[in-house]
Formats: sequence, structure tokens, C-alpha cells
Amino acid sequence: ETGVTQTPRHLVMGMTNKKSLKCEQHLGHNAMYWYKQSAKKPLELMFVYSLEERVENNSVPSRFSPECPNSSHLFLHLHTLQPEDSALYLCASSQEQGAPDGYTFGSGTRLTVV
Amino acid sequence: AQSVTQLDSQVPVFEEAPVELRCNYSSSVSVYLFWYVQYPNQGLQLLLKYLSGSTLVKGINGFEAEFNKSQTSFHLRKPSVHISDTAEYFCAVSDRFGGTSYGKLTFGQGTILTVHP
Repeated sequence: ETGVTQTPRHLVMGMTNKKSLKCEQHLGHNAMYWYKQSAKKPLELMFVYSLEERVENNSVPSRFSPECPNSSHLFLHLHTLQPEDSALYLCASSQEQGAPDGYTFGSGTRLTVV
Repeated sequence: AQSVTQLDSQVPVFEEAPVELRCNYSSSVSVYLFWYVQYPNQGLQLLLKYLSGSTLVKGINGFEAEFNKSQTSFHLRKPSVHISDTAEYFCAVSDRFGGTSYGKLTFGQGTILTVHP
């Protein structure tokens, strides 16, 4: 158990579906992140939240919509995705944005868009 | 802007042999450096980190890494690997306070280490 829990672990969805990924941490961290991990590509930072405010949006398409209702929870709402969005989506947290201790990662959600 | 280059996409070795996974970075400011490991179907786990001080840092599972500022490198080493070390390893960099990439971890493309019996 890493301290960051992601659900579901696996998700298959059609291009017209709407689904949400959930991330939860009980480490007392104030910053949370969404990363996309595709085959043969470096991890891509998608969103950064610090103290529940979005501080970074790395040119992510609007079909991905993040939500951070409190410092312990982070969601990624998905709608009208494309097959190329199939990837491992990783959530991470850190004590604060810029903390030198690095991030604590969840186990990820393996998303397949059909 | 930061960038991280892991020079080998795959490294096959035999059990009990030494291994080095290479990492070079570029940044306009001082950095923090990290190595993460990812086992199949899992997230990333922190192996070790360089923040300041001694350039040789030791991590979990017998791994160590050396920060070389002049060569902008942070290579990961283990003197004797085990089958259980088979995984993907990621080098990452974060700007120290004040850099334009402050607080953001930038990752390399990963190196798959395969340990054969």
C-alpha cells in the first residue's frame, strides 16, 4: 500500500462513454498530480493541484476534466475519448508543490478506449 | 526548460552481475534528482533522491547513484542484481526553488532492466 489509492485499476470504455478516475491520499499532502503513461513515451504531466487549486494544465484536451474537491481526493472525468487516450493514468501526491521529497504514486488506472 | 535522457531503453544482465543505468539531464538551474522503479502493473516507487550534500546517495534495495554536476549525470548502480530487480527504472529531475519548472517532476523515457538467471 503506497498511501495513494487509485480506482478503478482497469477501465474499458467506448468513445461515447463518460467515466471518472478516482485518486485518494491520506498522507496529509497538499499537492496532487495526474500523469499519463503511454507505451514508449515519457510520463506526461497533465494537471497539478496545490491546496485544491489547479496550478497547471499542460495543454490537455478538454475531454479530460480534473476535479479536486479537497486535499485528499482528485478525480479525472473522461468523456468522448479517443483510442489514442488509452494509457496508464497515474495519480501522485507530494507534501507541497515543489517539495524535494519527490512524489508518492498510486498504482494507476489502466484505461482502454475502444 | 528541463529534459532528462536515459541512454539505454533496455538493459539485460545476468543475476549477481553489476549494473549501471545511465541518466543525463539538462536544466538552467540547480536541480533535485530522483530515481523511481516501476514493477509490472504498479505505480512508481521512489528508489533514491539527491537533494544536496554528498554526491553519492544510497537508496532502497541496494541501489546507489552518483550526482556528477560537471557531466550533468545521475547514473544508477547496483553491484549485484537479483531476479527481483527486473522492472522499469525512471530518472527524474525537478528544479530547485525559483526555476521555471519548480515543483514539477520531469521524467526520462525509462530503462527496462531484465535480470536473467
